[in-house]
Amino acid sequence: GDSVTQMEGPVTLSEEAFLTINCTYTATGYPSLFWYVQYPGEGLQLLLKATKADDKGSNKGFEATYRKETTSFHLEKGSVQVSDSAVYFCALSGSTGRRALTFGSGTRLQVQP
Amino acid sequence: NAGVTQTPKFRILKIGQSMTLQCTQDMNHNYMYWYRQDPGMGLKLIYYSVGAGITDKGEVPNGYNVSRSTTEDFPLRLELAAPSQTSVYFCASSYSGGGLAGITDTQYFGPGTRLTVL
Repeated sequence: GDSVTQMEGPVTLSEEAFLTINCTYTATGYPSLFWYVQYPGEGLQLLLKATKADDKGSNKGFEATYRKETTSFHLEKGSVQVSDSAVYFCALSGSTGRRALTFGSGTRLQVQP
Repeated sequence: NAGVTQTPKFRILKIGQSMTLQCTQDMNHNYMYWYRQDPGMGLKLIYYSVGAGITDKGEVPNGYNVSRSTTEDFPLRLELAAPSQTSVYFCASSYSGGGLAGITDTQYFGPGTRLTVL
């Protein structure tokens, strides 16, 4: 079945540092790929998405490129802020049927001033 | 629009008790989902619905039931609560208009219900 693997956290960075959170997936067909963010005590919010190979999703300075050849969707940001501290989830949605999301285990990011 | 709302926010149950988690969306979405999130883990799909009157099991349906009598509401029922059901429960909704494989619309999540079974 479908699966998503993320790098384990926590990831601790200083403000203005470069961020990369790795995500790889296993899926049949042509899944859509997502990054969701969860701030403390809140639900999940969509950060960005990509629906086909070589698409780049971007939002709030975050970017991720759908790489079918390496089955990856790594999240990057050039300069993190304290307000980016949260848990980040990589997820995929199958191309048919229920279209539910398969999530990775999440990566906690802590940004220090 | 309120989006996806869930009640209650917190609940403590004793083993063997029952309860219903409420979920309502006001975006006229056809798809609705229930997920659970265990500590340090990603979300797992419990049940989903593709429209009023149509529901199906996800990855971890045991111990739960759902119904979808209207487009807006998708309650999750826990019968005979067990400690293994201690978790945070998220409801989500999306609109999928069919079409090309691989085109999937965004899921919108509620704020969650934190359930403890003692």
